[in-house]
Amino acid sequence: QSALTQPASVSGSPGQSITISCTGTSSDVGSYNLVSWYQQHPGKAPKLMIYEVSKRPSGVSNRFSGSKSGNTASLTISGLQAEDEADYYCCSYAGSSISWVFGGGTKLTVL
Amino acid sequence: EVQLVESGGGVVQPGGSLRLSCAASGFTFDDYAMHWVRQAPGKGLEWVSLISGDGGSTYYADSVKGRFTISRDNSKNSLYLQMNSLRTEDTALYYCAKANSGWYAFDIWGQGTMVTVSS
Repeated sequence: QSALTQPASVSGSPGQSITISCTGTSSDVGSYNLVSWYQQHPGKAPKLMIYEVSKRPSGVSNRFSGSKSGNTASLTISGLQAEDEADYYCCSYAGSSISWVFGGGTKLTVL
Repeated sequence: EVQLVESGGGVVQPGGSLRLSCAASGFTFDDYAMHWVRQAPGKGLEWVSLISGDGGSTYYADSVKGRFTISRDNSKNSLYLQMNSLRTEDTALYYCAKANSGWYAFDIWGQGTMVTVSS
């Protein structure tokens, strides 16, 4: 199973919005509404931010939103804040043999 | 407080074995499937294995199939990963993660335990 494709880095200024893309195939992202997104600060464990494409866990800011079109999922962060600076990973259920595939990660820099 | 605490990592030679443990607290352990996810130094996340809440179903990434065995002891609220025939490419921080109610996302993560495979 190949990793999902994410941009290596994105950046934005405080208050702006950014979008991180996550491109898979018709075998994973395109077949299931089971994409999740994780935030990871340096030296910390990942944190679930979005699940099932667009659902937010309790406690996650509504500045974070998710969507999907075809084989590409997206994470949008609005009203950027300094604390949003972190690595972000997408993940999709890949079905068939029961497996999950992650993206390579995107480093978000808040300028 | 919902918490996962991993242990058992260390340095092992190629071909060796190691058993990781994950102690869970703050939730009804046997109600939830559990995963292992790993992260090589400076690299991204890689899903490793899943076990159902009752332990009756297990699944593995192709990269570890036949070498790793996931298990759980619901009476001890504990998850395990037995790793045999270790390779240098297995060097990583190993996280245990709780599946959400739908199995398909990882909603609680431990802090990880480091496994280094080196001669």
